[in-house]
Amino acid sequence: KNEVEQSPQNLTAQEGEFITINCSYSVGISALHWLQQHPGGGIVSLFMLSSGKKKHGRLIATINIQEKHSSLHITASHPRDSAVYICAVREIAGNQFYFGTGTSLTVIP
Amino acid sequence: EAGVAQSPRYKIIEKRQSVAFWCNPISGHATLYWYQQILGQGPKLLIQFQNNGVVDDSQLPKDRFSAERLKGVDSTLKIQPAKLEDSAVYLCASSLDPRALTGELFFGEGSRLTVL
Repeated sequence: KNEVEQSPQNLTAQEGEFITINCSYSVGISALHWLQQHPGGGIVSLFMLSSGKKKHGRLIATINIQEKHSSLHITASHPRDSAVYICAVREIAGNQFYFGTGTSLTVIP
Repeated sequence: EAGVAQSPRYKIIEKRQSVAFWCNPISGHATLYWYQQILGQGPKLLIQFQNNGVVDDSQLPKDRFSAERLKGVDSTLKIQPAKLEDSAVYLCASSLDPRALTGELFFGEGSRLTVL
C-alpha cells in the first residue's frame, strides 16, 4: 500500500505556465513536506506544512487536513524549476516519514 | 550552519563486494535516517536512529545491510555482500528530536551506488 500518492508522475510545461502538483495521503500526520530533487543532486526541503498555505517566491503550497490533500503550485515556471518534486508526510503514530514516488517536472524554454 | 555530510558521493563495485557509506548529520540533530532511493522511486526508509539507539529497522535487509551510530553523532551504513539490486542512491537525513513533531527533515547529497 502507498501511504502517499502523487500526481501527475511526469509533467512537461512551457516556460511561464502555472503548474500544480497534487499529493494525497492516508495516514494521520503531524506535518507534510514538499521536497525538490535535481538530477544527481540531493534533496532540498521546500516547505513544511501542518495547516493552511505557505508561499516562497514563485512557489505556493497548500494543505487541506480534512481531505488529506496538498498541492504545490509554481507560478511563471522557468527551466530551472525542472526537477523531481516529492511529497512526504510525517506520521503522528510512529513518527515515521512516508514519501510519494515524486513528480518529474520538465519546463521547456 | 553545515548541512548533512555524506561520503562517498559515488561508488562502483562488483556484486558480492562490500561497501560502506558515512553520514555526519547536522549538529544537535538527535534523529538520523538512512533511506534507499532506487531510480524512479521515492526514498524508502532503511533505518532510523534516535541518538545511538535504533528506532526502526524493519525494512533493513539484515542479512546483508548493517548500520551503526555508536556515539550518537555520525553513522555508517554497510552492505556486505552487495547484490545488483542494491544499485541505488543512499540518502542520509537528520532532524531534531522527533518529540518536536513538526521538525524539519534535512537531507545529504546522497551516495550513488552502482553494483556491476
